[in-house]
Amino acid sequence: SQTIHQWPATLVQPVGSPLSLECTVEGTSNPNLYWYRQAAGRGLQLLFYSVGIGQISSEVPQNLSASRPQDRQFILSSKKLLLSDSGFYLCAWSESNYGYTFGSGTRLTVV
Amino acid sequence: GQSLEQPSEVTAVEGAIVQINCTYQTSGFYGLSWYQQHDGGAPTFLSYNALDGLEETGRFSSFLSRSDSYGYLLLQELQMKDSASYFCAVRDQGFKTIFGAGTRLFVKA
Repeated sequence: SQTIHQWPATLVQPVGSPLSLECTVEGTSNPNLYWYRQAAGRGLQLLFYSVGIGQISSEVPQNLSASRPQDRQFILSSKKLLLSDSGFYLCAWSESNYGYTFGSGTRLTVV
Repeated sequence: GQSLEQPSEVTAVEGAIVQINCTYQTSGFYGLSWYQQHDGGAPTFLSYNALDGLEETGRFSSFLSRSDSYGYLLLQELQMKDSASYFCAVRDQGFKTIFGAGTRLFVKA
């Protein structure tokens, strides 16, 4: 069966520090991968999506970037975090694009 | 612009039926889906409608009317564990899915 792993679960980082969040999927090949961010009590904002290795589409211009170095690995990065980067980051995958499976999420607090 | 509108909060009693509405305005439409999210957790997929009509999955049903750009999630025989946030989402084009702001459902005893 397919599983999605996302870590870390929580992270507290100072302003200006770098960020790297990793997501891996098992049990499937060539999945569509997504990074979403959720502010407290709000909906999900699509940040990046990828349909294949090295293929990244950005939805929101900001100081975040994404990479897909392997078929089932999706990484979200930042060189210098801002206070406004705080939120709940969710990785998701889909095969058919009508239903997403989300990872357990990373709660990031920038202080 | 693209938007999905759903009520911010709904309260119902245990055992009752509740309907959560969603209206959307998107540049494209390839289907309406619903997700449940408990506090502190990740969203989980509930249902998907690509065509008009009602889809039933156990106590949950989802309806779509493409001509009205409208859909709803129907929860029957409410249980306390159904207290959560519910999001409608539209796959508007390509591989993009846009989510509504969510409806917080409170189930009272």
